[in-house]
Parts: sequence; structure tokens; C-alpha cells
Amino acid sequence: GESVGLHLPTLSVQEGDNSIINCAYSNSASDYFIWYKQESGKGPQFIIDIRSNMDKRQGQRVTVLLNKTVKHLSLQIAATQPGDSAVYFCAENEGYQKVTFGIGTKLQVIP
Amino acid sequence: EPEVTQTPSHQVTQMGQEVILRCVPISNHLYFYWYRQILGQKVEFLVSFYNNEISEKSEIFDDQFSVERPDGSNFTLKIRSTKLEDSAMYFCASSGWEGNQETQYFGPGTRLLVL
Repeated sequence: GESVGLHLPTLSVQEGDNSIINCAYSNSASDYFIWYKQESGKGPQFIIDIRSNMDKRQGQRVTVLLNKTVKHLSLQIAATQPGDSAVYFCAENEGYQKVTFGIGTKLQVIP
Repeated sequence: EPEVTQTPSHQVTQMGQEVILRCVPISNHLYFYWYRQILGQKVEFLVSFYNNEISEKSEIFDDQFSVERPDGSNFTLKIRSTKLEDSAMYFCASSGWEGNQETQYFGPGTRLLVL
């Protein structure tokens, strides 16, 4: 079936370096994507989103890139900090209905 | 900043017992959701709720589950006869309409343990 999934289950990054977390999706009809951050014992926290009519969107220290040709999504975190350590999920939001989450990538920031 | 709240934070129950998980969505939101996350697995959609009725539910959301908005602020998930496999984190979420996009905001979750 169609799904949203992640390439890398774990990513270790030195503090201060940039992080790139990747995501592949298979539903070509998807038009809205979100990145969530989940810290241990907490609920998913919205980070940034992007619609399919955009290729790039920037937030504070984060950038999401969307490549519709290869159905690929990435989250870039600049100057990674220890507080960025968490599991990151890409997700597809189907309008007012469910959010379909990928498996998640664990980001470990090395001090 | 407004946030979704959930109670209790932890719930331990015996198999076969009924549990009610409570959520207070963000006050001006119109759409409400429940998700669950079994330990070590991804977050899974259970149900969405709008205008006092279920708008979509997953195959997980069978007859033992029900949702209700008993008043203007609370949104509940009831599991009638809990099974061991119902042990999970249950997240409530709500959404409204921000510009041209819709964002779901999640609560901190209720950890349910069925013994």
C-alpha cells in the first residue's frame, strides 16, 4: 500500500554541525507534508510544513525541501544543538483527516 | 501559547476493564483526533471527529472504542473492554485553520498499561 517512510533510522551529528533527515513518500497524490519532532515521553511537536506547490520552506534553523519528481522530503537543521536530539517524523496530512506518520529517524547530537 | 492537554498522564488497568482518556483541545479548534503509539512503533491514526460526529476512523478503531465531546471543552476516548494489546501511548490532537494550511497540534499523551 502507499505509505510515508524514512531512509535512516538513526542519525548521529556533532553539535554545531548541520543535520539532514530524509523521507520518501509513495503517494503521488499527497499535497501537504509535515515534520514533527518527538522527544522521549512527549507528543509529536509540529516543526514545519510544506505544500506540494512549493520546493522549499524555511523556518527558524530548519528548512524543508520537497522533490516531487522523486517523492522525497528532507528536513535540514542548521547548527544542531543538544536540544534537537529527538525522533523526527515526516508525515502526510490528508486534509482534515488523519496524519499518516513515517517510522521516524532518531537524531543524536554529540556534544 | 495554547496547547492540547490530556489526563491522566498514566493509566494502569486490568484487562477487560473500561477506561476513559480525556483531552482538552485548543479552544478555537474544530477538528479533533486520537492517535496511538505502541512502544517502539510509529504513531497510528485512530479517529477524527468534527461537528459532533466521527469523520474518519481506522481499522484499529473497532467497536470497543468510542469518542465523545460531552461538553464544549472535553474530548474523550473510551475503551470498553481493554485488551493487553491496547497498551500504548494515546495522543489527542486538534486542528483549526491557519491561513491556507491546517496543522494538527498534539497533546502530551496518556500512557495506558493493560495488565
